[in-house]
Amino acid sequence: NAGVTQTPKFQVLKTGQSMTLQCAQDMNHNSMYWYRQDPGMGLRLIYYSASEGTTDKGEVPNGYNVSRLNKREFSLRLESAAPSQTSVYFCASSARTGGKDTQYFGPGTRLTVL
Amino acid sequence: GNSVTQMEGPVTLSEEAFLTINCTYTATGYPSLFWYVQYPGEGLQLLLKATKADDKGSNKGFEATYRKETTSFHLEKGSVQVSDSAVYFCALTGGATNKLIFGTGTLLAVQP
Repeated sequence: NAGVTQTPKFQVLKTGQSMTLQCAQDMNHNSMYWYRQDPGMGLRLIYYSASEGTTDKGEVPNGYNVSRLNKREFSLRLESAAPSQTSVYFCASSARTGGKDTQYFGPGTRLTVL
Repeated sequence: GNSVTQMEGPVTLSEEAFLTINCTYTATGYPSLFWYVQYPGEGLQLLLKATKADDKGSNKGFEATYRKETTSFHLEKGSVQVSDSAVYFCALTGGATNKLIFGTGTLLAVQP
């Protein structure tokens, strides 16, 4: 089992460019999450998907869109990147929401917007 | 709303020293509490968790007890190693969405 995988590992964009961060899990989990990690602020939830076909906003959704492509995959899109979106992005999954299940994290994508 | 407060770092210790990283929380209902660890250049890994009051989570020599009366979940280890150097995050979940609320993280540096 690979667990949670993310691509790419590193990316540099210019302001205004778009890109999609990919995430996949092979644990047959229902729920998936996108977080961003910034110095001194811990991790903050951007969007989550409780189950295939559903998505909901988290704490900091502005400037992002998501797609739950199927049960395995959950992508995060930046339509017009801004320097404020420079961050490390983590995808996570859990068996379900509504319970107290452990979330498992991917290795992260380090994004720099110039 | 729900929140987590953990001690600021960095915490610098010598090998074999005793470790405590304080974590307190504010939450409605009965959240689950977690400690995650992030080694340099890696993602977060679950270190331990506790799902109800007075539960003790433990793993790799680390332990933390869910104290509802003091709303705390302090992380302890009796004898740290250089390999324990990492950032430690306290977190909680609760409610219908299972969203994790993280503290800001505490950097631990263990010197030989």
